[in-house]
Amino acid sequence: EDQVTQSPEALRLQEGESSSLNCSYTVSGLRGLFWYRQDPGKGPEFLFTLYSAGEEKEKERLKATLTKKESFLHITAPKPEDSATYLCAVRDPNTGNQFYFGTGTSLTVIP
Amino acid sequence: DTAVSQTPKYLVTQMGNDKSIKCEQNLGHDTMYWYKQDSKKFLKIMFSYNNKELIINETVPNRFSPKSPDKAHLNLHINSLELGDSAVYFCASSQESQPQHFGDGTRLSIL
Repeated sequence: EDQVTQSPEALRLQEGESSSLNCSYTVSGLRGLFWYRQDPGKGPEFLFTLYSAGEEKEKERLKATLTKKESFLHITAPKPEDSATYLCAVRDPNTGNQFYFGTGTSLTVIP
Repeated sequence: DTAVSQTPKYLVTQMGNDKSIKCEQNLGHDTMYWYKQDSKKFLKIMFSYNNKELIINETVPNRFSPKSPDKAHLNLHINSLELGDSAVYFCASSQESQPQHFGDGTRLSIL
C-alpha cells in the first residue's frame, strides 16, 4: 500500500501564476512530513518539516501546510527558478529511521 | 564544504561487471542510507545503517552489499550488474528526528 501519494504528477505554470501541490499520506501517528526540492542532476534538497495538523512553514514564495491526511505546498507568484521536482516524504512512525517518498511533482514555470 | 559526497558521479559499465559506489558525510550524523531513484523519480530505500550497524535492509537482490567502515562512510558494492540496475543511487544521512541530507547521486548506466 502506497504510504505517500503526490499530485499532480506534472504542473506547468506561467510566471506569477500561483498554485498548490498536494501530498496525501496514509501513515498513522505521523512523526514528520518532509518537503524536498530536487533539481536535475542533483540530490533532493530539504525545504520543510511539518509535524502536526494545522502547522505551517514558509520560505520565500513557498508555504507548506499540514492536515491529518495531506499536506500542501503553496507556490505564490512563482518564478522560472522555482522549476524543479518537489518531493514529499513521511517518517515511518514505527521505526523512525525509514522514510517513504512520493513520486514527486515536476513543476515548470514559464517566463 | 560538501555535506554528503558520493563518488563516482557517473558510472558506465558492462553487464556482469562488479562495481562500488562510495559515500561520505561530514555532518556528524549517526544514520546513513542508500536509495535507488528510477526514471520516474521514485526514491526507494535500499539500506540504512546506524552507527555502522545495519538497521534497514529492504527487498534488494543480494548482489547489492553495503558496508559501513565507520559512521561517516557508507559504501555500496554491486556484483554481476544487470540492465535493470541502471538508475541513480543516492546516499543520505540524518540525525535522530532531523530531515535527511542527500548527496548528488551516482548515475549508473549498464550497457
